[in-house]
Amino acid sequence: EAGVAQSPRYKIIEKRQSVAFWCNPISGHATLYWYQQILGQGPKLLIQFQNNGVVDDSQLPKDRFSAERLKGVDSTLKIQPAKLEDSAVYLCASSTDPSTNEKLFFGSGTQLSVL
Amino acid sequence: AQKITQTQPGMFVQEKEAVTLDCTYDTSDQSYGLFWYKQPSSGEMIFLIYQGSYDEQNATEGRYSLNFQKARKSANLVISASQLGDSAMYFCAMREGRTGGFKTIFGAGTRLFVKA
Repeated sequence: EAGVAQSPRYKIIEKRQSVAFWCNPISGHATLYWYQQILGQGPKLLIQFQNNGVVDDSQLPKDRFSAERLKGVDSTLKIQPAKLEDSAVYLCASSTDPSTNEKLFFGSGTQLSVL
Repeated sequence: AQKITQTQPGMFVQEKEAVTLDCTYDTSDQSYGLFWYKQPSSGEMIFLIYQGSYDEQNATEGRYSLNFQKARKSANLVISASQLGDSAMYFCAMREGRTGGFKTIFGAGTRLFVKA
């Protein structure tokens, strides 16, 4: 079974530029998550999709971040314009049925450096 | 508000010895799940073990066990017979039901160093 795929693996941009990340979850997984992990911290949930609908985006900085999930499968996360504090690893995860015992499957992440 | 606390930024353990990584949580819900994930230097988060809030027995998965003390709201991870490959970041996480879905939040993590 293929895992969660993310690209690119690394990205370096200058502040005020835009950037986009892509995620392909495990086939059949209805729920998709984007987490931001700043160096030395735990992952912070940015947005959660159930199929192609947004379940939770309360911590997404909507003035600069946007995300979509096309046809309930792939997802893209965009930052425009980027700030220095956006430097982090962006992790995509997916899971099957929504329940309290459902573990998350993570991709390898995209490491973003904003200069 | 949901909260996960991991008070040990870093831990050292001698190879082949056991180590306990601490985790406390805060929730007002009765139904929730507790998880531990491992993050090696490669960056990918790997699921280790799960404990449900209604489970009476402590969870075990190979060399990993979860010491669940519900009244104290603690869910410590015990790794027995440590191996060099256990050196990594370890995150405690909690999953609760929320309006519209379930949400998983993570602690700040503990970095484990296994010495030869």
